[in-house]
Amino acid sequence: EAGVVQSPRYKIIEKKQPVAFWCNPISGHNTLYWYLQNLGQGPELLIRYENEEAVDDSQLPKDRFSAERLKGVDSTLKIQPAELGDSAVYLCASSLRGTGGLVEQFFGPGTRLTVL
Amino acid sequence: DAKTTQPPSMDCAEGRAANLPCNHSTISGNEYVYWYRQIHSQGPQYIIHGLKNNETNEMASLIITEDRKSSTLILPHATLRDTAVYYCIAYYGQNFVFGPGTRLSVLP
Repeated sequence: EAGVVQSPRYKIIEKKQPVAFWCNPISGHNTLYWYLQNLGQGPELLIRYENEEAVDDSQLPKDRFSAERLKGVDSTLKIQPAELGDSAVYLCASSLRGTGGLVEQFFGPGTRLTVL
Repeated sequence: DAKTTQPPSMDCAEGRAANLPCNHSTISGNEYVYWYRQIHSQGPQYIIHGLKNNETNEMASLIITEDRKSSTLILPHATLRDTAVYYCIAYYGQNFVFGPGTRLSVLP
C-alpha cells in the first residue's frame, strides 16, 4: 500500500515568489493534515481537513497561506508571497479513526522549502 | 490537550533497553498518551498509544503510571536504526500537539 505522497521533496525560491505543495493521502483516509516543522522543533499543525471541510485552520496564516482539498482526496498548500521565515519542512499526514482511541497519523516525507 | 515534557536528549548503548520518560502531570482522564518518532529526513511515525493500561506491540512497550502523570516508552533492544527524535503527546479528540521531543542516540 502506498503511503502519503508529497511533492516536490525540495523547493528553493526567492522571497516574494509563490510556492505550492501537493499531497496525496492514503486511500480511504478522510482526515488530512498539513504541518510546518522548523529545525529542531516538533511539527506544528497548520490545517486539518475532514473530507473536503477545513475543520481547524486556526493556525494557518491566512494573509499569505491558503489550502484546498478538492473532492476530499488530494490537497494543495500554497504560500503567496513567500517570506524568508517560511523556510521549513512542510509535512502532510492523513488518518482514519480506528478503535481503542487510535488515531494513527501517517506522515509523508515532507517538502523542504528554502526561501532566499 | 495536556502539555508534555521530555528530556531533550538521551544516549543508549546498542542492544540495551532504551527507556524514554515523559511527564504529563496535567493529563485529563480521557486523554490518551501517544508516542511517535521521527528519523532524520522522514515524517513522524506512530509507535504506540495507551490510556491507562500498559501496552506492548512489536515496536515498543508503554508503561503508564497509576496516576497517569507520567509514562515511559521502552525499546527493549535498541538498534542503531532507533536513533531518532521521540515525541510524547497527550491527545483527545482535537489535534496532536508535538513538543520538541527527545533526541535518542543509539551508540555502537
